[in-house]
Amino acid sequence: EVQLLESGGGLVQPGGSLRLSCAASGFTFSSYAMSWVRQAPGKGLEWVSAISASGGSIYYADSVKGRFTISRDNSKNTLYLQMNSLSPEDTAVYYCAKYGGSSPHYYGMDVWGQGTTVTVSS
Amino acid sequence: QSVLTQPPSVSAAPGQKVIISCSGSSSNIDNNYVSWYQQLPGTAPKLLIYDNNKRPSGIPDRFSGSKSGTSATLGITGLQTGDEADYYCGTWDSSLSAGVFGGGTNLTVL
Repeated sequence: EVQLLESGGGLVQPGGSLRLSCAASGFTFSSYAMSWVRQAPGKGLEWVSAISASGGSIYYADSVKGRFTISRDNSKNTLYLQMNSLSPEDTAVYYCAKYGGSSPHYYGMDVWGQGTTVTVSS
Repeated sequence: QSVLTQPPSVSAAPGQKVIISCSGSSSNIDNNYVSWYQQLPGTAPKLLIYDNNKRPSGIPDRFSGSKSGTSATLGITGLQTGDEADYYCGTWDSSLSAGVFGGGTNLTVL
């Protein structure tokens, strides 16, 4: 079964850091681009970041550029999101999602995790 | 404000058809593929349409997608109460070098 399992969410103070992980199973992880998408409470989906299958191409939303870092370990079938300088505006459910191809430009996001909640508050 | 514009809500009766629009620009919809996602209450999004008009396996043909210029649409026929959900369009924006979503459309089947 194709599956994505996020972890690492929690409560963090403003200015703090968190590292999210997304463990993939049931497919050839190294063949597909991956992304992080977040959803603030009661709000719509916001694309956060994406990484190509090889890890050679990385993209960020302007809202997180310079603060978040996406990476992947294809030997461990795991996607990461290092989040620094967190603010209350970063409070959201963070979803890990798989693209249908090696690049984020095509095929859409065909597999989603259940999400992990990040709360930034003092 | 979202880069892609969707109506906040639409409604229709069971068995009827509804169309959800998604408006963008030359840097996103016009020159990139569009996807559509369904998010049922309390669940993760689910891919309904990719590459403008293709359905993943398991998605019924009641769901269809189309694109023309800077706009895209999702059509749902034979509406069921189980279709009540939020629907999002998404694509790549070549100017931003980033993915973008619409603000979402809440579908009510009444």
